[in-house]
Amino acid sequence: SQELEQSPQSLIVQEGKNLTINCTSSKTLYGLYWYKQKYGEGLIFLMMLQKGGEEKSHEKITAKLDEKKQQSSLHITASQPSHAGIYLCGADSPRSGGYNKLIFGAGTRLAVHP
Amino acid sequence: EPEVTQTPSHQVTQMGQEVILRCVPISNHLYFYWYRQILGQKVEFLVSFYNNEISEKSEIFDDQFSVERPDGSNFTLKIRSTKLEDSAMYFCASGRDYNEQFFGPGTRLTVL
Repeated sequence: SQELEQSPQSLIVQEGKNLTINCTSSKTLYGLYWYKQKYGEGLIFLMMLQKGGEEKSHEKITAKLDEKKQQSSLHITASQPSHAGIYLCGADSPRSGGYNKLIFGAGTRLAVHP
Repeated sequence: EPEVTQTPSHQVTQMGQEVILRCVPISNHLYFYWYRQILGQKVEFLVSFYNNEISEKSEIFDDQFSVERPDGSNFTLKIRSTKLEDSAMYFCASGRDYNEQFFGPGTRLTVL
């Protein structure tokens, strides 16, 4: 079965610093979703990547998909305390006639200190 | 901006009792999902629902679980006889097509 590994598991940065979170899949990626979760709350959709080499940005967050490496990275520029939370990557499982059963990584816990 | 809503936010029940978790997906969405997250663990897929039927379910989604879209707005998850290990955060998600999933805030289920 497909597994997603996120690194690092946790990250503490100073406000204003840039950071990168990685998500590596054990199998081919058909689509990769990034979500942000505050502790004990719901998942906030950030962006979804489908094609190899695809890059999307939302405010100061940029995500890229390297299909050959079966990997995606999430980059935050000039981090702010509001970026703190748990970042989750989710991937479409190989299609078995189903409709987007997402498999998630364990998450990267980000703290941003003023 | 439209959001997925879920009720209740927290449900406490006794082992063996039936619970119904409710979700109101975003109004023009056609694809519906339930996931759960046991404390400290990964978010796990339970079931997907499209065109008034289950399209896929995980091995977690056994005979104790059922889903229903009783009217044009609600999407429910029923657990017939809750077990201690059913304690988790349950998330509903919906999408206009199969390429998007917007999650609700979750219902925390505590089974005593």
